[in-house]
Amino acid sequence: GAVVSQHPSWVICKSGTSVKIECRSLDFQATTMFWYRQFPKQSLMLMATSNEGSKATYEQGVEKDKFLINHASLTLSTLTVTSAHPEDSSFYICSARSLRSPLSGELFFGEGSRLTVL
Amino acid sequence: EDKVVQSPLSLVVHEGDTVTLNCSYEVTNFRSLLWYKQEKKAPTFLFMLTSSGIEKKSGRLSSILDKKELFSILNITATQTGDSAVYLCAVITNAGKSTFGDGTTLTVKP
Repeated sequence: GAVVSQHPSWVICKSGTSVKIECRSLDFQATTMFWYRQFPKQSLMLMATSNEGSKATYEQGVEKDKFLINHASLTLSTLTVTSAHPEDSSFYICSARSLRSPLSGELFFGEGSRLTVL
Repeated sequence: EDKVVQSPLSLVVHEGDTVTLNCSYEVTNFRSLLWYKQEKKAPTFLFMLTSSGIEKKSGRLSSILDKKELFSILNITATQTGDSAVYLCAVITNAGKSTFGDGTTLTVKP
């Protein structure tokens, strides 16, 4: 099956620093990647949709300058949490849609990255 | 605004029981409905449903979609402790946007 790798799986940083999270599709090319945030015991909240070679589309209420998304290739998207604060602590998950099945809607998820901001 | 509602929010059963999880939705330009199982980390894919009335089956799990009444159910028969997880329902629109429900937390006791 399609594999999506996310790195790092766990990061602790000081308030005010920036953190980059990578999402890679290992055995397929992804036309679109999605970034979600998940709070404890809650569902996945879509933050933004990332298309290769174009600007990300952010959901309402998500700060573009705070959560920078870059989708430089068909296999890599990055999420940078800039000037992180304790309230940014959360579980961030990416998913990818295969170039081979863009219309099916099937999403392949990364393992997630747990961010803790001190 | 697109909405996906799952019920119940949590469920505790004993091994061997059969459970039915519900997912209802209100979205514009529906394309597909997906079920995922989430244990500790990332969700793992279970089913994708696009057509009404066609049951998808995988072992003890099965799912069906009703596009007229706008809901889907996920059935798990002969539950095992390993089925304990959060089950997420997501709806994908023609524009490719995904909306997730709040999930159903299933606990299967030995």
